[in-house]
Amino acid sequence: DAGITQSPRYKITETGRQVTLMCHQTWSHSYMFWYRQDLGHGLRLIYYSAAADITDKGEVPDGYVVSRSKTENFPLTLESATRSQTSVYFCASGPNSNTEAFFGQGTRLTVV
Amino acid sequence: GQNIDQPTEMTATEGAIVQINCTYQTSGFNGLFWYQQHAGEAPTFLSYNVLDGLEEKGRFSSFLSRSKGYSYLLLKELQMKDSASYLCAVRDRYQAGTALIFGKGTTLSVSS
Repeated sequence: DAGITQSPRYKITETGRQVTLMCHQTWSHSYMFWYRQDLGHGLRLIYYSAAADITDKGEVPDGYVVSRSKTENFPLTLESATRSQTSVYFCASGPNSNTEAFFGQGTRLTVV
Repeated sequence: GQNIDQPTEMTATEGAIVQINCTYQTSGFNGLFWYQQHAGEAPTFLSYNVLDGLEEKGRFSSFLSRSKGYSYLLLKELQMKDSASYLCAVRDRYQAGTALIFGKGTTLSVSS
């Protein structure tokens, strides 16, 4: 299907485990972004990417790792999950620096 | 960096008009965006302003004053389905590349 998809939609993991959230877009957009959304904080930028093999930190990058070996994929890895990383994670993409970003449906992650 | 402020909550009646304000401080302003987000769903794009003035899209309009660091989203002929969170976001050419930086959002409740 065309668009931007995230998987899984829901995930429960244990503290200390590594977990990877997947993001795939079919538009060939250059730019991709990861946000987390928490009550009282709104959407906060974790990492962003301007193109394949180019990534940069956002506001809250600690504890997260990203890669972008292919334009269409932008996985987010929590190397050792902590309870404070319980959140809803949104991936987004955009074609250039002058347009809006399009969001995936989100992944609700619970760390127990 | 950016500082984006918007009211936390607003209430309105079906058929009425509501204005949601957003103020921002940014060093390299490069566009202001409004998104709508229903509970449990992804944000969806509503409007984009980069120049001063009013942009109208059906029942929704957005206004920008760059000199005042101010925008508003105007919703006319309110419907129950407009109950949602409305997110103000800015793009800053000196911060986070092309990523959108979001305010905490305004939750709008429309009653009959």
